[in-house]
Parts: sequence; structure tokens; C-alpha cells
Amino acid sequence: DIVMTQTPLSSPVTLGQPASISCTSSQSLVHSDGNTYLSWLQQRPGQPPRPLIYKISNRFSGVPDRFSGSGAGTDFTLKISRVEAEDVGVYYCSQGTQFPSTFGQGTKLEIK
Amino acid sequence: QVQLVQSGAEVKTPGASVKVSCKASGYTFKDYYIHWIRQAPGEGLEWMGWINPDIGGTNYAQKFQGRVIMTRDTSISTVYMELSRLRSDDTAMYYCARLRIFDVWGQGTMVTVSS
Repeated sequence: DIVMTQTPLSSPVTLGQPASISCTSSQSLVHSDGNTYLSWLQQRPGQPPRPLIYKISNRFSGVPDRFSGSGAGTDFTLKISRVEAEDVGVYYCSQGTQFPSTFGQGTKLEIK
Repeated sequence: QVQLVQSGAEVKTPGASVKVSCKASGYTFKDYYIHWIRQAPGEGLEWMGWINPDIGGTNYAQKFQGRVIMTRDTSISTVYMELSRLRSDDTAMYYCARLRIFDVWGQGTMVTVSS
């Protein structure tokens, strides 16, 4: 199984400041069809996960442009350009390139 | 709008089975695989498997092989996840989600296993 490792596991951030989360996979996430199925999800307390980013860098409809994804191969990053109060929650990376799909451990974003 | 609506919370005793439903609306049901993911209280996300609603084909995580069955009823655009021989560590929120990029999620179904 592909292991997804996120850093940091906790990220205290000041409102208006940027935040960054890294995700590393134990194997390349490039699929035989040429796509890289690396996604980012946000989970607010008591809510189901909310999809933010798919295939490394594509934002889902309705996701603010302060969220951006980048990376390739085995190393990926989620960046929030200016953290807002509503961004508090746990962020997960996930891979759908090889089944079983796997998730990172989660990064808890909190406001300082 | 595109939606996945799951059945309500369940309480089961150890050794019993549970069947959770996930009803799709707002899109062509047969065109999109449905995945099941669970989350134990305070823990992360765990993928359980997928079902192809068109032909009913499935792919289960090895951890759940022999205990999980995913089915679908195309007449009512609904997929089901049945987990048998329940244990206390199966207590979790169970989610259905669409596609390998998990673009749409159900609201979750809490399954509690307790004697």
C-alpha cells in the first residue's frame, strides 16, 4: 500500500498569514493514464470531509483561490495564501492512483 | 444538485451486521464509481473499497475482505455497504464518496458497536 506522510501534524497560524502543508507518498502517484490522483480534503469539526483540490492543483468549484496545490511524483504541497478563521480544521491528502486509496494522517490547522 | 444522502445512525451489538445506504441524485448514477471510507472517533480516514454502479463490480481493501459487501440498486440510484461480524473497533462514521478524487461526499452514517 502507498503510505502518505503529512507534515506538520499541527500548524498554529496567525490570521492573514500563509500556511503550508506537505504530503509525501511512498511511491510515485503518476497513474498509467498520465494523471496524478493526489487530492486535498478539509474537515471542519463535526463535518464530513470537504474536497478542496484534485489532481495536484485543480480547485473544486466554490473553493477560494487562496487555496493552491502543487507538486509532482511523490512530493506535494497545499498552500493557503492568507489564513481565515473559517479555515480551521484538519487537512488530509489522499491518493487515488493505486488501490487501496490511502490518506495522510491529517494536519490540524489552528489559529494562534 | 449532485448529492449523496446516507441512511441514519445505527447501534449494533458485537457479531451483528450493518447495512448502510447511499442514495445518489443530480447525476447519472451508473457513470460514477462510489467509494466507502470510514473514520473512527478522533481518528483519520480509512478507505474500505469501491463499487461500479454500472455493472456492480467491486474492489475491497484487504483489511475488509470477507466482511464487507457492496451492492447497488440501479432502480433507485442507491448503493449499499454491508459490514458483518461487527467488533467494537468498527465503531466509526461511515461515508460514501464519488470517484477516486472524492468529489462529492455523503453526510456520513454513525455506526456504534456496543454490547
